[in-house]
Amino acid sequence: EAQVTQNPRYLITVTGKKLTVTCSQNMNHEYMSWYRQDPGLGLRQIYYSMNVEVTDKGDVPEGYKVSRKEKRNFPLILESPSPNQTSLYFCASSLSPGGPPLHFGNGTRLTVT
Amino acid sequence: AQSVTQLGSHVSVSEGALVLLRCNYSSSVPPYLFWYVQYPNQGLQLLLKYTTGATLVKGINGFEAEFKKSETSFHLTKPSAHMSDAAEYFCAVSVPNFGNEKLTFGTGTRLTIIP
Repeated sequence: EAQVTQNPRYLITVTGKKLTVTCSQNMNHEYMSWYRQDPGLGLRQIYYSMNVEVTDKGDVPEGYKVSRKEKRNFPLILESPSPNQTSLYFCASSLSPGGPPLHFGNGTRLTVT
Repeated sequence: AQSVTQLGSHVSVSEGALVLLRCNYSSSVPPYLFWYVQYPNQGLQLLLKYTTGATLVKGINGFEAEFKKSETSFHLTKPSAHMSDAAEYFCAVSVPNFGNEKLTFGTGTRLTIIP
C-alpha cells in the first residue's frame, strides 16, 4: 500500500529537549515536504526536499532542521523545542520533483511544555 | 506571491442538501488549484485539482469544482450532502516556480452535516 508514515503520532516534550519526527514514504517519490497546521492558519510549509541531499526552507523554517540522506526518509528535527512549536505536523511527498504534495502522512501532534 | 481565501471557517448543511464551499485565489500567473479533505485524525487527501483545460473538474466522492478566472474563484460543490462528508476542507494554490511549485493553503472550512 502506497503511504507516507510518520512517527510518533503524539509527542509531549519539554522546552529544550531535542526531538526528531520521522517520515518515510514507499512510493519512490523525489519531492518531500514538512508542514505545520495551526488553527486559523491552515498549513504552512516548513522545509522541502527535491531529492537526496537537496533541501530548502519553506515559509516557517525557524527552529527546525531536516535531512535527506535517503530518498524514502525525511526526518524533521527540533534541536531546542519551544512552546510556540506546539502544533500538528504533516509530512508529504510527491512523484513530481517540485510538484505539489499529493500524499500526506497522518500527522504528528506535538506538545511542548 | 499567491494566496487563497476560504470564506467561512464553519459551514453546516442538512443531509441531502447542496454543499458549497467557497475559495478565492490571488495569483499573478495562471494557477494550479486544489481541494483537499481532512478527516479527523488523518492527513489530507486530494479531492480534485485544476491545472489546465476543462474548467469544471470532477473529483472523488461526488465533489466538483469550477475554475472561474474572471471571478478568481474555485468553489467546491456537491449536489447532495452525506453524513460521511463531515470533515475539514482546504483549498490550495500553486504556480510554476522553477522546481518548487509550493502549495499555499487556505485556512480551511469545517463542514458539518445535520441529520
